[in-house]
Amino acid sequence: GDSVTQMEGPVTLSEEAFLTINCTYTATGYPSLFWYVQYPGEGLQLLLKATKADDKGSNKGFEATYRKETTSFHLEKGSVQVSDSAVYFCALNKGGSNYKLTFGKGTLLTVNP
Amino acid sequence: EAGVAQSPRYKIIEKRQSVAFWCNPISGHATLYWYQQILGQGPKLLIQFQNNGVVDDSQLPKDRFSAERLKGVDSTLKIQPAKLEDSAVYLCASSSDRGSLEQYFGPGTRLTVT
Repeated sequence: GDSVTQMEGPVTLSEEAFLTINCTYTATGYPSLFWYVQYPGEGLQLLLKATKADDKGSNKGFEATYRKETTSFHLEKGSVQVSDSAVYFCALNKGGSNYKLTFGKGTLLTVNP
Repeated sequence: EAGVAQSPRYKIIEKRQSVAFWCNPISGHATLYWYQQILGQGPKLLIQFQNNGVVDDSQLPKDRFSAERLKGVDSTLKIQPAKLEDSAVYLCASSSDRGSLEQYFGPGTRLTVT
């Protein structure tokens, strides 16, 4: 079945450091890919998405490129802030008969001042 | 625009008791999802409604879990009887239609079964 694998956390960085969170997927067909973020005490929020190969999703300084050849969708940010501390989830959606999201386990990011 | 509302935010019950969670999606959203998020894992879809009909309930443990969306608006998820392994956060999400890629999530209900 479909699955998403994220790098294990937690990840701890200093402010202004470069961030990479790896995400790879297994799915038949052509899924759409997403990064969701969950801030403490809040619900999941869509951070960015990409719907086809080589698409780049971007938002709030975060970027991820849909790489079909490596089945990857790694999240990057050039300079993290304390306010980026949250849990990040990679997910896929195949559409078709339903639009359920298949999530990875999540990666906890803590940014220290 | 108001977001997805869920209540209660927290619930503690003993095993074998019953519990119900409520979700009110964003106004006008036809599709409603219930996800279960166990600590340390990503959310897993339990059931998906399109208006008041069930689209996918393949991962819903039907011997103890039930859900309804009678008027195609708000929804209730029930567990009866609860087991220790049901301890999790229950997330409700909605989208404008089945073809919409973007799902909007509520804050979740944290259930602890003792």
